Amino acid sequence: DIQMTQSPSSLSASIGDRLTITCRASQGVSNYLAWYQQKPGKVPKLLIYAASTLQSGVPSRFSGSGSGTDFTLTISNLQPEDAATYYCQKYNTAPFTFGPGTKVNLK
Amino acid sequence: EVQLLESGGDLVQPGGSLRLSCAASGFIFSNYAMSWVRQAPGKGLEWVAVIYGDTSTTYYADAVKGRFSISRDNSENTFYLQMSSLRAEDTAVYFCAKGRSAVAAAINYWGQGALVTVSS
Repeated sequence: DIQMTQSPSSLSASIGDRLTITCRASQGVSNYLAWYQQKPGKVPKLLIYAASTLQSGVPSRFSGSGSGTDFTLTISNLQPEDAATYYCQKYNTAPFTFGPGTKVNLK
Repeated sequence: EVQLLESGGDLVQPGGSLRLSCAASGFIFSNYAMSWVRQAPGKGLEWVAVIYGDTSTTYYADAVKGRFSISRDNSENTFYLQMSSLRAEDTAVYFCAKGRSAVAAAINYWGQGALVTVSS
């Protein structure tokens, strides 16, 4: 099965910062890659699908890129409400594995 | 408005069985793949199983294969997760979730979750 890794596992950033989270698949998944945001005690929220397509209603400061095995989620102009854990998920073929998550803290 | 409502979460002894249900509304249920995703306390998301809109195609995580069974009733807009031979490591909040299409796709809606606790 394809394994998903994310880096870093956690980070601290300031309001207004631009930050990048990386997701890597152990084998190519084409562009079948989604990003989710989960805040404590809340259900996950879809941010990006097809590696780079912004889900309706998601602020444009979120963007995704990549194809094959290497993907990035970028948050530009970090806002207080962006403090959360971010997960990638591949869905080209089952199992539809999630990455281990990246926790974003605010300084 | 899309709504997903789980039910059936409970405390169960190791080796026991439990069935989770997810009632869906606000969309044409048969047109979408539906999944179960779980999250152990303080841990990350773990994909569990998916059933495609055609009702006959199912896939499972290795951790639950042979013990869990996903099914759906398109006439009732409901899908299920039958869990058997439960283990302590199955303790988690189980989310039901809707995909963006009838087959493999990102998840665009989530239920609020049902807590399953496996303990003696």
